[in-house]
Amino acid sequence: DQQVKQNSPSLSVQEGRISILNCDYTNSMFDYFLWYKKYPAEGPTFLISISSIKDKNEDGRFTVFLNKSAKHLSLHIVPSQPGDSAVYFCAASLSNFGNEKLTFGTGTRLTIIP
Amino acid sequence: DAMVIQNPRYQVTQFGKPVTLSCSQTLNHNVMYWYQQKSSQAPKLLFHYYDKDFNNEADTPDNFQSRRPNTSFCFLDIRSPGLGDAAMYLCATSRVTTSVDEQFFGPGTRLTVL
Repeated sequence: DQQVKQNSPSLSVQEGRISILNCDYTNSMFDYFLWYKKYPAEGPTFLISISSIKDKNEDGRFTVFLNKSAKHLSLHIVPSQPGDSAVYFCAASLSNFGNEKLTFGTGTRLTIIP
Repeated sequence: DAMVIQNPRYQVTQFGKPVTLSCSQTLNHNVMYWYQQKSSQAPKLLFHYYDKDFNNEADTPDNFQSRRPNTSFCFLDIRSPGLGDAAMYLCATSRVTTSVDEQFFGPGTRLTVL
């Protein structure tokens, strides 16, 4: 039972355009969400997070949007750069349990076309 | 640079032959995690240590064991590897578990079972 779903295994975007990566979750108890980025031959690295008390969090070129009613979050990267080519994992948790209940999605491979 | 190191990066073993994967960290974090990630799947938490306290996920097979002799090192022992245990094994660390805190991942060990 996949509680965090990333339905697009891959996405290609032209350099300079906006990249939008989507994530859906089924457990309405999740109240904290994170995005991790993974380059080949490296471990995932933390990118940005959002608490369920917010609907938007921005950090430079990266913005995460949360729609609790739809159980959906998205990561926007604008403008997209070649160095953004990586696999992006969405993760969700129950803040009371912290990292002990962190559930990952299957990832979306983003390719930025120069 | 503070980091999470995993050795070896690639491990080949035979069906049923015990294997040990190692992880070390220079971050001095309290918590260390082991994840299993099979091809095109989400990373799945196997267990974690908070200091010396071991926490096993309910669905982690008995075939998987872990040791944490000190703060810096953590080992994953697979007692009798089966073909289904071929995967990427990711080690991660964090300061705490009781809140959702950024996890720092190693590059992973890819295990092949012949």
